[in-house]
Amino acid sequence: EVQLVESGGGLVQPGRSLRLSCTASGFTFDDYAVYWVRQAPGKGLEWVSGISWNSDSIGYADSVKGRFTISRDNAKNSLYLQMNSLRAEDTALYYCAKDTYDYVWGSFSYGMDVWGQGTTVSV
Amino acid sequence: QSVLTQPPSVSAAPGQKVTISCSGNNSNIGINYVSWYQQLPGAAPKLLIFENNKRPSGIPDRFSGSKSGTSATLGITGLQTGDEADYYCGTWDSSLSAGVFGTGTKVTVL
Repeated sequence: EVQLVESGGGLVQPGRSLRLSCTASGFTFDDYAVYWVRQAPGKGLEWVSGISWNSDSIGYADSVKGRFTISRDNAKNSLYLQMNSLRAEDTALYYCAKDTYDYVWGSFSYGMDVWGQGTTVSV
Repeated sequence: QSVLTQPPSVSAAPGQKVTISCSGNNSNIGINYVSWYQQLPGAAPKLLIFENNKRPSGIPDRFSGSKSGTSATLGITGLQTGDEADYYCGTWDSSLSAGVFGTGTKVTVL
């Protein structure tokens, strides 16, 4: 079964840091771009960050640029999000998701076909 | 704020059809693929449409997608009570070098 499982969320004070993890199974993780998407309570989806299959390409939303860092460890089938200088407005459910097709990024992305259940971050 | 604009809500009776619009610009929808997601209450988003108009396996053909210029549309025919959910469009924005989602639309079955 293709699966993504997030972890690492919790309650943190403003200005502190938190590291989220997402563990993949059931597919060849190192062939796919993966993403972090968040949803504040009662609000819509917000694209946070993405990373290509080989880590050569990375993108961030303006709202987190300079504070969040995305990374991946293909040997561990894992995606990470290091969140520094956290603010109240970062409070959200954080999902990880994978791209539909392998070896695509950015303008060639087709959509996100597998999502985790999310991990909650409260600042 | 979201770069892509959707109507806040649409509604129709069971068996009827609804369409949801997603408006962008020449940096996002105009030049990149659009995808659509369904989010049932309390659940993670689910991919309904990718590459503008393709359905993943398991998604019924009651759901359809189209794109024209800088706008995209999701159609749902034969509306069912189980279709009550929030729906989001998404794409890449080449100016921002980031992904973007729509503002979201709540579908209500009357």
